[in-house]
Amino acid sequence: KNEVEQSPQNLTAQEGEFITINCSYSVGISALHWLQQHPGGGIVSLFMLSSGKKKHGRLIATINIQEKHSSLHITASHPRDSAVYICAVRGRGTSYGKLTFGQGTILTVHP
Amino acid sequence: DGGITQSPKYLFRKEGQNVTLSCEQNLNHDAMYWYRQDPGQGLRLIYYSQIVNDFQKGDIAEGYSVSREKKESFPLTVTSAQKNPTAFYLCASSMAAGVGDTQYFGPGTRLTVL
Repeated sequence: KNEVEQSPQNLTAQEGEFITINCSYSVGISALHWLQQHPGGGIVSLFMLSSGKKKHGRLIATINIQEKHSSLHITASHPRDSAVYICAVRGRGTSYGKLTFGQGTILTVHP
Repeated sequence: DGGITQSPKYLFRKEGQNVTLSCEQNLNHDAMYWYRQDPGQGLRLIYYSQIVNDFQKGDIAEGYSVSREKKESFPLTVTSAQKNPTAFYLCASSMAAGVGDTQYFGPGTRLTVL
């Protein structure tokens, strides 16, 4: 079993739909990251969370430390949101910035 | 513009040849990282460097080598000892290798070994 599991692996939505991507992890963490990878391959950091909730535009990320679970929500989805969304965690006590990554969720938003 | 550059974007090599992937950053970041991405799998850490002239093995360092002679540069050599070198390689950097530091990623190099 991977330390970081994402669900679903593939997600298809119609423009305007509310989208949720889930991330569960099995280790104690100091921080959780949500990343976005576009078809060309480049990766952009969306959020870094250690507790609670963060919002940026139409994106909302939440984390529940006790349940070892995080969600990424996209409101009013748009075709330009189509990308791979990756969850990554930094273990507690790690002396360097090592991240453990989930396998990614492929999101396709149709017009 | 500040950022991370990787070159080339696509690279083809014959089996048995060593190949070096370039990674340069002008963000004045101390820490740099190399990851490998395979289809259906999460990114895996190959090597990382917290400071110039120092680097450490990651989870899958076998068959790879790196150097960190300059703060801006962290080249990765894929040697002939790497059994499955065909993959997408991503370089990243962060201000420091510590808790709370966001990693910034380059555009990646797709290596195909024929």
